[in-house]
Amino acid sequence: NAGVTQTPKFRILKIGQSMTLQCTQDMNHNYMYWYRQDPGMGLKLIYYSVGAGITDKGEVPNGYNVSRSTTEDFPLRLELAAPSQTSVYFCATRGGLAGVLDTDTQYFGPGTRLTVL
Amino acid sequence: AQSVTQLDSHVSVSEGTPVLLRCNYSSSYSPSLFWYVQHPNKGLQLLLKYTSAATLVKGINGFEAEFKKSETSFHLTKPSAHMSDAAEYFCVVSEGGADGLTFGKGTHLIIQP
Repeated sequence: NAGVTQTPKFRILKIGQSMTLQCTQDMNHNYMYWYRQDPGMGLKLIYYSVGAGITDKGEVPNGYNVSRSTTEDFPLRLELAAPSQTSVYFCATRGGLAGVLDTDTQYFGPGTRLTVL
Repeated sequence: AQSVTQLDSHVSVSEGTPVLLRCNYSSSYSPSLFWYVQHPNKGLQLLLKYTSAATLVKGINGFEAEFKKSETSFHLTKPSAHMSDAAEYFCVVSEGGADGLTFGKGTHLIIQP
């Protein structure tokens, strides 16, 4: 099992450009999350999803959009890139299935390092 | 609301000496507590997790953490540091809601040869 995969690993954008960060999981987890990590800081939640077709805002959603059409995929869209969006982006999943004990633990992808110039 | 405070932004120890990374938390409920490790340019890896069972939790690579409710602390320890332990360590709290985890700002562990 690959777990949680993210593409691309690195990207440089110009101000005003758009892009989609991809996240795919093969763990059959209902819950998926997008975080950003700024230098010297912990991770902050951008958006999350509790299942296909259901998404909700986290702590820092401005400038981003998400969709969840399947259990496996949870792409993050930047419409008009700004320098403030320079960061490392992590996707994570969590079980959250009824009857499964380990529902709190989140499993992280390797991250996408984005620079906006 | 839940919050996490990691008391040291940087900790430096010599190889072979004990490691102590300090974490205090605030939560209105009985939270789950985690320690994650992040090696340079890598993703986050779960070290260990507390979920109201035993208060002393053993994790991977010789790390352990003790939950102390009276002190609202969840400090991470290791008896003998190894060069490969050099990394960023995050203390994390979850109240079980759908909206994810709350992260501390991280402690950068430096291992001196």
